[in-house]
Amino acid sequence: AQSVTQPDIHITVSEGASLELRCNYSYGATPYLFWYVQSPGQGLQLLLKYFSGDTLVQGIKGFEAEFKRSQSSFNLRKPSVHWSDAAEYFCAVGGPLFSGGYNKLIFGAGTRLAVHP
Amino acid sequence: EADIYQTPRYLVIGTGKKITLECSQTMGHDKMYWYQQDPGMELHLIHYSYGVNSTEKGDLSSESTVSRIRTEHFPLTLESARPSHTSQYLCASSDTYNEQFFGPGTRLTVL
Repeated sequence: AQSVTQPDIHITVSEGASLELRCNYSYGATPYLFWYVQSPGQGLQLLLKYFSGDTLVQGIKGFEAEFKRSQSSFNLRKPSVHWSDAAEYFCAVGGPLFSGGYNKLIFGAGTRLAVHP
Repeated sequence: EADIYQTPRYLVIGTGKKITLECSQTMGHDKMYWYQQDPGMELHLIHYSYGVNSTEKGDLSSESTVSRIRTEHFPLTLESARPSHTSQYLCASSDTYNEQFFGPGTRLTVL
């Protein structure tokens, strides 16, 4: 079955430190992959996406992610974290294998990021 | 910038009341979705629509119902609210592939 796993429920980093949030997926074909960010009380904002091509994708707010097919992973990275990056981060997978076609997304449980000054 | 709106943002209501959560988008997207999200938890799809007069139930069973009479509008209704319906409800829309744009959410509390 298709699924998304975010192994880290909470992560705390110091401001200015580097960040890596992990995402592993289970999918029977090449997936469409997404990272979303959710600030408290808000909806989700798309950070970046991968459909095909270059496996290193750049997103907004200085984030990037790398698709590694051999590891079924799509980890999110940022070289220097800012206090405003504190939020919940969701990895999601979509693609044509889902019933209903191309437009469904399966979300991971999220990783809550705290940033220490 | 995506333009998708949800009202109300917060709603506290008593058990047994009928409620409608509004969702509108101005992007002309055919596909719209409702998700339910408990605090600190993942999102669960409860309804989706591929166009006018098309609605389907999602992966998580829900007592709510939806309608899609106009492309831009996708309201969710609970005929009789219960405390178990307390949650955050997120509306989204998409055009191509799976890229979904989300509204700010409605936080519902049923007393």
